[in-house]
Amino acid sequence: NAGVTQTPKFRILKIGQSMTLQCTQDMNHNYMYWYRQDPGMGLKLIYYSVGAGITDKGEVPNGYNVSRSTTEDFPLRLELAAPSQTSVYFCASSYSQGSAYGYTFGSGTRLTVV
Amino acid sequence: DQQVKQNSPSLSVQEGRISILNCDYTNSMFDYFLWYKKYPAEGPTFLISISSIKDKNEDGRFTVFLNKSAKHLSLHIVPSQPGDSAVYFCAASATGTASKLTFGTGTRLQVTL
Repeated sequence: NAGVTQTPKFRILKIGQSMTLQCTQDMNHNYMYWYRQDPGMGLKLIYYSVGAGITDKGEVPNGYNVSRSTTEDFPLRLELAAPSQTSVYFCASSYSQGSAYGYTFGSGTRLTVV
Repeated sequence: DQQVKQNSPSLSVQEGRISILNCDYTNSMFDYFLWYKKYPAEGPTFLISISSIKDKNEDGRFTVFLNKSAKHLSLHIVPSQPGDSAVYFCAASATGTASKLTFGTGTRLQVTL
């Protein structure tokens, strides 16, 4: 049972490059989320999805895009990478609202933009 | 505007003693609170949660207390063990918001021998 899988684990991008962070879950969870964590800070919500075909912005969506074509996958797209996007990115999923067990997180993608 | 605050960036506790981690929130719409534990190079893992209709929830060595009037919650770990050394995040959500969580900045707990 893999849970939430994120790829790649590490990536260095040059300013202006683009990339897609992959996230897939095998728990049949409806809700999926992308967070970023900057040093010394809490996790900030970038985008979320409550089901296939439905996405919405979180607290810090600028510079990112998402899609949710299947229940399992929720990729995060960075267009025109900037140094401010250097961060650790976490994908998470949950079964439903108010889940007593909270989110299941992936192990993260550490992204550096130079 | 930091809606969930963890004012202690770090805490050091001896093995076997009690660890108390604190969290304050400002948004009165929050009605579900969770604690996550995070080891380096790993994603956060769910530890324990509490609904606003309760003031205490226990799970083994971990107990979360909620004081709604003070908008304050705390996590007690008794007894503390070296494996508890990690960063602990407090998080909160409000009903009807798709379980979106607002996280605090974390407290690094070091349990010493």
